[in-house]
Amino acid sequence: GENVEQHPSTLSVQEGDSAVIKCTYSDSASNYFPWYKQELGKRPQLIIDIRSNVGEKKDQRIAVTLNKTAKHFSLHITETQPEDSAVYFCAAREGGFQKLVFGTGTRLLVSP
Amino acid sequence: NAGVTQTPKFRVLKTGQSMTLLCAQDMNHEYMYWYRQDPGMGLRLIHYSVGEGTTAKGEVPDGYNVSRLKKQNFLLGLESAAPSQTSVYFCASSYGGQGPSEQYFGPGTRLTVT
Repeated sequence: GENVEQHPSTLSVQEGDSAVIKCTYSDSASNYFPWYKQELGKRPQLIIDIRSNVGEKKDQRIAVTLNKTAKHFSLHITETQPEDSAVYFCAAREGGFQKLVFGTGTRLLVSP
Repeated sequence: NAGVTQTPKFRVLKTGQSMTLLCAQDMNHEYMYWYRQDPGMGLRLIHYSVGEGTTAKGEVPDGYNVSRLKKQNFLLGLESAAPSQTSVYFCASSYGGQGPSEQYFGPGTRLTVT
């Protein structure tokens, strides 16, 4: 089955800096890679996703890149703000199934 | 639309007790999921359902049972609770079909087993 590894587990940046979170996956048949943001005590919410036929996707200050050959994908947040502080989870959809396998999460702290 | 709702929000059980967590969605989604979230371990899939009357095992199914008698509801049961089942439980739902679709999560249930 699919296995997703996520790094780093914690990331501290100053407001205005960029933040990068990286994930690797094991199943070459995986074809969908969402990123979820979870604020303290809240539910996970989708912030951006990418499909396997696309190399990069942007939405304002966030972007995701996918390298299918190396089987890794990354979340990039530019001009970070304190409200970006949260836990971020990457996930991979096993090919042919609607199941997601999640990474272990990255706690991002943005200091003013 | 309420989206995905879960009851109860909090529960404390003694070892050996049983309980049922209820998940409801009003988005007419085909697929529903139960996850548990533990510190440092992300979200792990317990069971899922691809339609009314169907269920399947996820990554960590032992000690749990599920039922999907109605399309909008997905129940998670603990027959004999153990301290290892102390966790935050999230339900999620998504559209059906072959293509990938966003999973919408409920607010979670915090369960403590003493």
